[in-house]
Amino acid sequence: DARVTQTPRHKVTEMGQEVTMRCQPILGHNTVFWYRQTMMQGLELLAYFRNRAPLDDSGMPKDRFSAEMPDATLATLKIQPSEPRDSAVYFCASGPETAEQYFGPGTRLTVT
Amino acid sequence: QKEVEQDPGPLSVPEGAIVSLNCTYSNSAFQYFMWYRQYSRKGPELLMYTYSSGNKEDGRFTAQVDKSSKYISLFIRDSQPSDSATYLCAMTLSGGSNYKLTFGKGTLLTVNP
Repeated sequence: DARVTQTPRHKVTEMGQEVTMRCQPILGHNTVFWYRQTMMQGLELLAYFRNRAPLDDSGMPKDRFSAEMPDATLATLKIQPSEPRDSAVYFCASGPETAEQYFGPGTRLTVT
Repeated sequence: QKEVEQDPGPLSVPEGAIVSLNCTYSNSAFQYFMWYRQYSRKGPELLMYTYSSGNKEDGRFTAQVDKSSKYISLFIRDSQPSDSATYLCAMTLSGGSNYKLTFGKGTLLTVNP
């Protein structure tokens, strides 16, 4: 049963700390997406990759957020320094060379 | 005007009812349309995926796309308590490498036993 996995599932940290979230896409998928979900804004696209190359990160606050794919089995999203307004659920999704996207379980981030 | 509008509900129905969930959109270039189901504290799960106009049926679920009206619907027949979740519509442009999804904010559905 192929699934997107994300770690950690929950993270509580203090303002100013670095946060790293990891995602393992489904094997064989060549597109990877990072989303943030809040009650107010819903699901927002932060960044996406195709064949490990970043295609669009216009949704990401670039001064503090960075996204990378060091290899085909790992995508990372880093926040440095974190702020309370970054508190949200962060989802990774992957897809084949079509419009379908399959989501992971999410990382619930709380910044105090 | 937002690109994708979705009534947030909440929508509460008795078990066995037919449920209709809808989204409207403004960008006529959207070609791929999806419905996701999201249970509380879980990731969105792809339910239905359609290209361009028409209907698609999968078990108790039917997705409809009316591009002339820029309107998409998801119908759930014989609704069950296990269908209680938030339903998100999503859509994207056609072709190339651009598969950025634009989501509605979701409709919260409760099916009461």
